[in-house]
Amino acid sequence: GAGVSQSPSNKVTEKGKDVELRCDPISGHTALYWYRQSLGQGLEFLIYFQGNSAPDKSGLPSDRFSAERTGGSVSTLTIQRTQQEDSAVYLCASSLERAGELFFGEGSRLTVL
Amino acid sequence: DAKTTQPPSMDCAEGRAANLPCNHSTISGNEYVYWYRQIHSQGPQYIIHGLKNNETNEMASLIITEDRKSSTLILPHATLRDTAVYYCIVRVQDRGGRRALTFGSGTRLQVQP
Repeated sequence: GAGVSQSPSNKVTEKGKDVELRCDPISGHTALYWYRQSLGQGLEFLIYFQGNSAPDKSGLPSDRFSAERTGGSVSTLTIQRTQQEDSAVYLCASSLERAGELFFGEGSRLTVL
Repeated sequence: DAKTTQPPSMDCAEGRAANLPCNHSTISGNEYVYWYRQIHSQGPQYIIHGLKNNETNEMASLIITEDRKSSTLILPHATLRDTAVYYCIVRVQDRGGRRALTFGSGTRLQVQP
């Protein structure tokens, strides 16, 4: 498809389990962002990949969170030993290198029981 | 990036113009003003951006004051589908920049029938 694709769209997991969330950005977009949004809250920046540069990880809330971007395209956000407070919608966005116009996916809704 | 201030909520009658204000009094000369909106349960959607001059596209108009310390997003004929949270963001648009967009609380616009 032409847009940012995220999977799974919904994930329910038990506390303590690891989860992986996937993002397929728009082809040719060199910048990729992860945000999360808890119920009724604003967007919280997590991590930002730009080309081959080292990612900006300043928004990751703890060392249980990590992300990779392989081949400058697909990205995976991994949350280890999930906690109930990790429950949120995880949004991925991509953009051209110098643009501020971000294209967002529909998000992955994570529920930790 | 400069901080922005927006009213938490606004109402607008269907068919009327919606004027959403944003204050960014500490904006720098090289920072652009971006507007996004987030309709319930969807990822944010880019609307428009500008530097100094007023801008118009098929979705909205952006009016930036001469001193650039504030701006107004105008939806000329609001419809019920325009009900959303509207985010005003200021950001440097630089090649290879490593600055992610930071979303504030936004303005919740409710279009009334």
